[in-house]
Amino acid sequence: EAQLVESGGGLVQPGGSLRLSCVASGFTLRTYAMNWVRQAPGKGLEWVSSISGSGSNTYYADSVKGRFTISRDNSKSTLYLQMNSLRAEDTAIYFCALSSCGSDCYSGFDFWGQGTLVAVSS
Amino acid sequence: DVVLTQSPLSLPVTLGQPASISCRSSQSLLFSDGNTYLNWFYQRPGQSPRRLIYKVSNRDSGVPARFSGSGSGTDFTLKITRVEAEDVGVYYCMQGTKWPLTFGQGTKLEIK
Repeated sequence: EAQLVESGGGLVQPGGSLRLSCVASGFTLRTYAMNWVRQAPGKGLEWVSSISGSGSNTYYADSVKGRFTISRDNSKSTLYLQMNSLRAEDTAIYFCALSSCGSDCYSGFDFWGQGTLVAVSS
Repeated sequence: DVVLTQSPLSLPVTLGQPASISCRSSQSLLFSDGNTYLNWFYQRPGQSPRRLIYKVSNRDSGVPARFSGSGSGTDFTLKITRVEAEDVGVYYCMQGTKWPLTFGQGTKLEIK
């Protein structure tokens, strides 16, 4: 069964760091662009970052640019989000989402993981 | 940035009645390749979002035929012909035409 499983969330102090992982099974990951989307408690969806199938192209929301880094290891079928200089407003459930329309097609979001919770608090 | 404005934000509907959600974009979502990258998602409380409609009007596999998407340019609509109890949740539109990618605020559908 195809699935995406996120991990790495937790409680971190402001200014701290976390690395999220998203492991894909049932997909040939290198053929798909991947995305991170977050949802603050009781709020809507916010796009965070995207990466091409090869990893050569990356995109970030202004709210995380310079602090977060998206990457992937296709040999391990894993997507990452390195989050540094975390702020209280980064508190959210972080979802990974796959776009099956192609390695440089980012608009799909047709398959989602279950999410991992990141809480930034002192 | 492209701003997507959904209306209404709250949608009480009687079972078996139709429902309609509007998504208006601050810019045209027509891409240079001729496609319009406007998706609709559905999210139940405590669950991940699920895509219902892609590129304006294409229904995803397994999505009931009572769901349909339409529109062009800056105005888009998600319609449910006859609302069922399982349709309760929050619906989001999302554009994938221009960076940064953006979502609408969400429309909460509830049974009256």
